[in-house]
Amino acid sequence: QLQLQESGPGLVKPSETLSLTCSVSGGSIDSSSSYWGWIRQPPGKGLESIGNIYYSGSTHYNPSLESRVTISVDTPTNQFSLRLSSVTAADTAVYYCARLTLYGSGSHIEYWGQGTLVTVSS
Amino acid sequence: SSELTQDPAVSVALGQTVRITCQGDSLRSYYASWYQQKPGQAPVLVIYAKNNRPSGIPDRFSGSRSEDTASLTITGAQAEDEADYYCNSRSSGNHLVFGEGTKLTVL
Repeated sequence: QLQLQESGPGLVKPSETLSLTCSVSGGSIDSSSSYWGWIRQPPGKGLESIGNIYYSGSTHYNPSLESRVTISVDTPTNQFSLRLSSVTAADTAVYYCARLTLYGSGSHIEYWGQGTLVTVSS
Repeated sequence: SSELTQDPAVSVALGQTVRITCQGDSLRSYYASWYQQKPGQAPVLVIYAKNNRPSGIPDRFSGSRSEDTASLTITGAQAEDEADYYCNSRSSGNHLVFGEGTKLTVL
């Protein structure tokens, strides 16, 4: 059974860079059918896709966050990471990592991490 | 703002049928996937592709699509179905978008 686990600081200061890592176990990050993504959810609000990456390094970002986001993959360690720069209080959210399956007629997200709350505050 | 539109809240009597809808241009090209989220928990996939259920999801959950609108139907809603439901679709450039979510209350 595939498992994903987020890790990283729970508190980030305004204007600094948020960095999170997702560790994947029970499967290989270089599976040919898998994309790996980050999704966030501000307290009391809905889900927002941040972006995703294929194991080859090809990335797709939410246009509204693209200027501040970098997602990378490290196949030897079976991990992928998120960096979000110049954070503000609006970036306070539960951040989920997930495995995405993309195909010609659509996509779905079957595996999710438990989520980690990141608070932006001085 | 989200490119997928959902009703904020829907209610259903116990044992009755409820439909949750999701509207957006991307749904003309791509099937929606649907997620159930209970408080304090990660979302759970309940429907994907044309009308597929992951292992362990009850068959009272089903999905459909007509033009730019996707629907999640729960036939015989149970108390444990009370949750937030989100639709999701591919958008241009392999980016994914979510609807704003629908809060389902089972009366």
